[in-house]
Amino acid sequence: DTGVSQDPRHKITKRGQNVTFRCDPISEHNRLYWYRQTLGQGPEFLTYFQNEAQLEKSRLLSDRFSAERPKGSFSTLEIQRTEQGDSAMYLCASSSYSENSPLHFGNGTRLTVT
Amino acid sequence: RKEVEQDPGPFNVPEGATVAFNCTYSNSASQSFFWYRQDCRKEPKLLMSVYSSGNEDGRFTAQLNRASQYISLLIRDSKLSDSATYLCVVPGSARQLTFGSGTQLTVLP
Repeated sequence: DTGVSQDPRHKITKRGQNVTFRCDPISEHNRLYWYRQTLGQGPEFLTYFQNEAQLEKSRLLSDRFSAERPKGSFSTLEIQRTEQGDSAMYLCASSSYSENSPLHFGNGTRLTVT
Repeated sequence: RKEVEQDPGPFNVPEGATVAFNCTYSNSASQSFFWYRQDCRKEPKLLMSVYSSGNEDGRFTAQLNRASQYISLLIRDSKLSDSATYLCVVPGSARQLTFGSGTQLTVLP
């Protein structure tokens, strides 16, 4: 399977704990995106990488969120000191360099903060 | 004004009906537009890219109106399997793609 893969699929954590999610994009794609989606809403942009460079970060992203893509391949998204409001589906997507390229999404990581 | 606005619906239509969704956007410099389909608790999947001349794929037709800054999706001869949430996607003010909130479609037998 050469699609976008995310791990884990589900994560349940207690408030205040740190969590880390991983995304492996389609291998020939150099752009990688993280989105967050809550029930009844469309995906909300969090951050975007081109190769290893983090080029955009949403103003909605608090300091508790950090993302990395150290070698321009897989990416991790860490949430520190989780809050109940962080409960959502975290979606990773990748695309090729072309400006008209669509996003290809992984299955997502569903986070529940109790 | 929001970067993208989409009628949330829900749209409940009988099988065989024709249904259309619109999505307005604010960034007049936007070049790339897409429609995605999302099934319940699944990831969004690309349905169609939207080209300036409009494009058709079977029962689905996508159109772009730059003057009025909206894109549309037309579904003809609706099937039960078309029931899903349809998301429009436009380039945001930064280099990300911005999603609408989605329009929920239910096709009834």
